[in-house]
Amino acid sequence: GAVVSQHPSRVICKSGTSVKIECRSLDFQATTMFWYRQFPKQSLMLMATSNEGSKATYEQGVEKDKFLINHASLTLSTLTVTSAHPEDSSFYICSARPTLDTEAFFGQGTRLTVV
Amino acid sequence: GIQVEQSPPDLILQEGANSTLRCNFSDSVNNLQWFHQNPWGQLINLFYIPSGTKQNGRLSATTVATERYSLLYISSSQTTDSGVYFCAVGGLDSSYKLIFGSGTRLLVRP
Repeated sequence: GAVVSQHPSRVICKSGTSVKIECRSLDFQATTMFWYRQFPKQSLMLMATSNEGSKATYEQGVEKDKFLINHASLTLSTLTVTSAHPEDSSFYICSARPTLDTEAFFGQGTRLTVV
Repeated sequence: GIQVEQSPPDLILQEGANSTLRCNFSDSVNNLQWFHQNPWGQLINLFYIPSGTKQNGRLSATTVATERYSLLYISSSQTTDSGVYFCAVGGLDSSYKLIFGSGTRLLVRP
């Protein structure tokens, strides 16, 4: 299947700093990518839809100023957690699909710990 | 928005047993996928099955779109099948986003 790569897999940062997470589609182009968040023992919650060349679409309740999304190319979307706080500690995972009517593939996820 | 419910929430099996996991959804869908999340958090694609039946080794899945449910069958379970199984669906709103169910946590004991 198609490959989606996410980096870093694990990051620890200090409260108040910003953290950038990258999501790349390695063998296909993706005009749309998706960012999810998962708390321990819970399901994946969609945070936002990343659109190449235009603004991201955020789900209700997601702070767009805290979670900055940039989709600068057809193979790369980034999520920046700004002014991170301990409550932002979570597992973040991205998704993309080769075409919009085929299956979605997920990155390995990024475990963020804010201390 | 579309609602996705999975059952059972937890399942404990003895190695070699069979099981059926269910996914109900509240509206018509154009995408339905089953995933297995391993202990490291990686989502493994099991099936892309908006309708019909598919089989892959010991796993098979059936989606009855008109009745808004999908089933995942695991036969002759192994300890490596342990983990969380998620169903995720995409609605007809052309946003192409996937909405996840709450998952079924499976433990297969030796």
